[in-house]
Amino acid sequence: GAGVSQSPSNKVTEKGKDVELRCDPISGHTALYWYRQSLGQGLEFLIYFQGNSAPDKSGLPSDRFSAERTGGSVSTLTIQRTQQEDSAVYLCASSFGGRPTEAFFGQGTRLTVV
Amino acid sequence: KQEVTQIPAALSVPEGENLVLNCSFTDSAIYNLQWFRQDPGKGLTSLLLIQSSQREQTSGRLNASLDKSSGRSTLYIAASQPGDSATYLCAVRAGSSNTGKLIFGQGTTLQVKP
Repeated sequence: GAGVSQSPSNKVTEKGKDVELRCDPISGHTALYWYRQSLGQGLEFLIYFQGNSAPDKSGLPSDRFSAERTGGSVSTLTIQRTQQEDSAVYLCASSFGGRPTEAFFGQGTRLTVV
Repeated sequence: KQEVTQIPAALSVPEGENLVLNCSFTDSAIYNLQWFRQDPGKGLTSLLLIQSSQREQTSGRLNASLDKSSGRSTLYIAASQPGDSATYLCAVRAGSSNTGKLIFGQGTTLQVKP
């Protein structure tokens, strides 16, 4: 595709339910990032995939959060047993592995836990 | 630990003014620095990417500079317009290779008044 695509654009879920957020990176981009942005806050790093290397999971806030990237392309961020504090916009970005490593962002998924 | 700070947090200027947004980072070992724009409720749009070996990059009315040794970058916007109103974020790619994660500042929210 022409850009990074995220789905759904909006998700409302009940507390305690599991949710899956999807990211389709730009074709050929080997690096993929997930960030979280709470209302009025900056971007909080969650997880980073680079090619076939082990992902950098250092930003995942708890073991309820996990992400995978299948076939080096599409990524899914899963939040289990959602809590109200998980409400935020979840942003995905991708970049080409070589120079220049400009990152491009999707429009985000707005998650609301009620 | 790399930390990125943006000053000021908010800025309001009349249309036509030239302005400077500041970004500082604590660890000079960066691979590159990227400036983004975020409109309310939207994802991030890449504005400029500066590699660690570069001093500045220009795109239209935007000019970004980088002083890696002092841990500073500035985004200069010439002849500001109401359409420039948005939040501006800077991000550094940590480390000495293209496999580092992006670390963001909190952003500067700019309002340009007609």
